[in-house]
Amino acid sequence: KQEVTQIPAALSVPEGENLVLNCSFTDSAIYNLQWFRQDPGKGLTSLLLIQSSQREQTSGRLNASLDKSSGRSTLYIAASQPGDSATYLCAVRPGSSYKLIFGSGTRLLVRP
Amino acid sequence: GAVVSQHPSRVICKSGTSVKIECRSLDFQATTMFWYRQFPKQSLMLMATSNEGSKATYEQGVEKDKFLINHASLTLSTLTVTSAHPEDSSFYICSARDSGTVTYEQYFGPGTRLTVT
Repeated sequence: KQEVTQIPAALSVPEGENLVLNCSFTDSAIYNLQWFRQDPGKGLTSLLLIQSSQREQTSGRLNASLDKSSGRSTLYIAASQPGDSATYLCAVRPGSSYKLIFGSGTRLLVRP
Repeated sequence: GAVVSQHPSRVICKSGTSVKIECRSLDFQATTMFWYRQFPKQSLMLMATSNEGSKATYEQGVEKDKFLINHASLTLSTLTVTSAHPEDSSFYICSARDSGTVTYEQYFGPGTRLTVT
């Protein structure tokens, strides 16, 4: 059974810092992995999607990497801003299904 | 980009009543939609997969008679919480798979906050 874990559960950093969020999954047989952002009381915004054949994806200040063999992904946020404060969720799509399995999320607070 | 809407965004109902939540894909066709439930400060838990024109597939532990799902068209799925109780209070989020893309990316709705009093 696929399990997704995110570390740390919460993170507080001063504005301007570069930071890394971690996601690990137990079964390497995935189709793709997505990183999402969720603001309090809101739905999910897709940030980056990495196909199983890819190593990384970049969008602006965000960079996500994928090491399928070791079951790990990282989300790198450069030059963090208070507006980046949110919960970040990673989710994997098992190879045999369209379902997404979510991690528990990392709650990020960027202090001005 | 692809947009998914949910209605209502918030609903308060009395215990014992039924509540219907709609999920619509606005600019793409979705043969498959997904319903998730999220408790405060917890992650999303998949409840069921909604398939257009056929029965929904429920995850283990989800009562199909309590959470009725109908996917009558390529752009609309509904979740009806029947005989709601306070423990059903939660944040319900739907997503829709764009069947016209290679990546089969899912797009998420803004969520519906259900409070049962």
